[in-house]
Amino acid sequence: AQSVTQLGSHVSVSEGALVLLRCNYSSSVPPYLFWYVQYPNQGLQLLLKYTSAATLVKGINGFEAEFKKSETSFHLTKPSAHMSDAAEYFCAVSAAGGTSYGKLTFGQGTILTVHP
Amino acid sequence: EPEVTQTPSHQVTQMGQEVILRCVPISNHLYFYWYRQILGQKVEFLVSFYNNEISEKSEIFDDQFSVERPDGSNFTLKIRSTKLEDSAMYFCASSARGVTGELFFGEGSRLTVL
Repeated sequence: AQSVTQLGSHVSVSEGALVLLRCNYSSSVPPYLFWYVQYPNQGLQLLLKYTSAATLVKGINGFEAEFKKSETSFHLTKPSAHMSDAAEYFCAVSAAGGTSYGKLTFGQGTILTVHP
Repeated sequence: EPEVTQTPSHQVTQMGQEVILRCVPISNHLYFYWYRQILGQKVEFLVSFYNNEISEKSEIFDDQFSVERPDGSNFTLKIRSTKLEDSAMYFCASSARGVTGELFFGEGSRLTVL
């Protein structure tokens, strides 16, 4: 079984400040980990993914995340927030290999607000 | 850029009525999915579909739900007899490569059951 916990349903930062969105996972098998972003009235868009290659993963729009097995974490960071980063962010996990065929287990989401 | 399209964007129905939500996945993708998000809750997996059959389904996906790929382009989710608790945003997704592949999501269909 797999699960994802996102710490903080709302995060507010100033423009130019560091963005840190926290994600912890639980998985009985090696995980694949994903961050998706959802802008208002749009679908979920993949930001980045970890699929057992490099533990530091770079994604679109300057975001990156680091897979830390010892901490079962996959936190999302961006050095300098832009107003356009305001959205809801979802962390998700799937089972590596097997027959999961892309079944993702999502966290509850974190709404990021960016202040001028 | 290719995208997943869903119709309708919003549907209101009476309890007990049948609803069909439609999706057009990206044309060269082989794996198809439905997820749903009840207001204020997590996005939940419903079903995955590959090679013209269901490959996996969740506990939520009971006999009231069915999926079909009737014509090689559309991918539909049917709810036979809607309940109030079926009110949610339903997301269709498709992928070229399954497990490690990126899932491309549609914008969602909001279903409201009265």
